[in-house]
Order: sequence, then structure tokens, then C-alpha cells
Amino acid sequence: GAGVSQSPSNKVTEKGKDVELRCDPISGHTALYWYRQSLGQGLEFLIYFQGNSAPDKSGLPSDRFSAERTGGSVSTLTIQRTQQEDSAVYLCASSLRTGPFNYGYTFGSGTRLTVV
Amino acid sequence: GDSVTQMEGPVTLSEEAFLTINCTYTATGYPSLFWYVQYPGEGLQLLLKATKADDKGSNKGFEATYRKETTSFHLEKGSVQVSDSAVYFCALSDRYGGSQGNLIFGKGTKLSVKP
Repeated sequence: GAGVSQSPSNKVTEKGKDVELRCDPISGHTALYWYRQSLGQGLEFLIYFQGNSAPDKSGLPSDRFSAERTGGSVSTLTIQRTQQEDSAVYLCASSLRTGPFNYGYTFGSGTRLTVV
Repeated sequence: GDSVTQMEGPVTLSEEAFLTINCTYTATGYPSLFWYVQYPGEGLQLLLKATKADDKGSNKGFEATYRKETTSFHLEKGSVQVSDSAVYFCALSDRYGGSQGNLIFGKGTKLSVKP
């Protein structure tokens, strides 16, 4: 696609429920990144994919968080048994394999997750 | 490891004032440097970049010069507008650092411009 697409744009869920957040990167971008941005906070790195593999999962905050990417394209971030502290904007970005150094990332508009 | 430090906000200015947002970095190699902007309710957009020392990135009246000697990439604009109100993030990509060339972000600086 023309840009990075994230869905849903807003999600309200009850504490304890599972949620899935979707990211559709720019066609041909092999690298995909998930970040979390809590209210008034900076960017918290969650996970990075190169193709379908995740060389760096170091940012996932707990084992309730997981992510997968299939076909080198769409990625899904899953949060199980959501807690109120999971409320944040989840941002996805993509880049060419050699892109970050020369071009940076292209970000989606984010999914605002509210756990009530 | 590699890191980016930018001035704490919030920064509040009157329209047409001069803007400087300081950014300094630590990197193993010779990084590329970026400024991203996040307008209210939106994702991050690339504002400008510089890929080698002494390069000047510029866009929408904003500019920043890659200073290797001071490891800095300060963002400047001569005359801000209300529409510039946003959060600004400085970032680096270090091809030879431990981050595999991925972007490392500063904490962001919120700018509010009053009419």
C-alpha cells in the first residue's frame, strides 16, 4: 500500500480480555517495528521483524505480549489478559532492509488502546 | 550503547518566535540523524534528516545541521506558527552500532505555539 496501515484506529476493551492489533506495512518493506507510546511519554520499542523473523524481542514488556508476521507482510501484535497499564497508543513502522540508515522509518497512525 | 538526548519540554513560544530544540547523541560509528514530528492525534512523520557530518537537513522552514565535533543535531526554525505545535523527536541510526542500524529515539519535546 501507499502507507503503513494500522487497525483498528481505536480499541476499548475490558480488563482481562485479549486484543489483536494489526499492521500492514508498505509493500516491499522487509523490516517492521512495533512501538508503544503511553500518555505524555516517549516511544517504547517493543519488537522488530526482518522478514518473518524477529531478531529483537527485547522490548516486549511481559509474556502477555506476542507478535507475529506472516508472508513478510502483515504483522499482528497480541496482548493477552489486558491490564489497565496496557492502555497506550501502539505504533507500527516499516522500512526497507537498508532503509533506517538512509531513509528512516515510515510510521502508521497508530492504534489507541484503552483498557477499562 | 547508542543514545539520543533531547531537551525536556514542554516548550511554549509565541507565534513568530525563534525555535531551538537541542539534541545530542552518542554513537559507535557514523550515524544518520533524523527529526520526526508528531502532530496531535497522528503518527510520527519524518521532518528532516542528515546522513553525514556537516550536512544540513531542512523542511517546512525547519533545519538542523549534523555537527560531529559536538555530536549534536539541534532543530531550529526562524519563525514558528501555531500549526507547528507538536511533539518533536530526535533519532539516530548507527549502522555499526548494537542496534543493527535501527532507529534510536530521544524522549520527545512538546512544543506549544501561542497566537
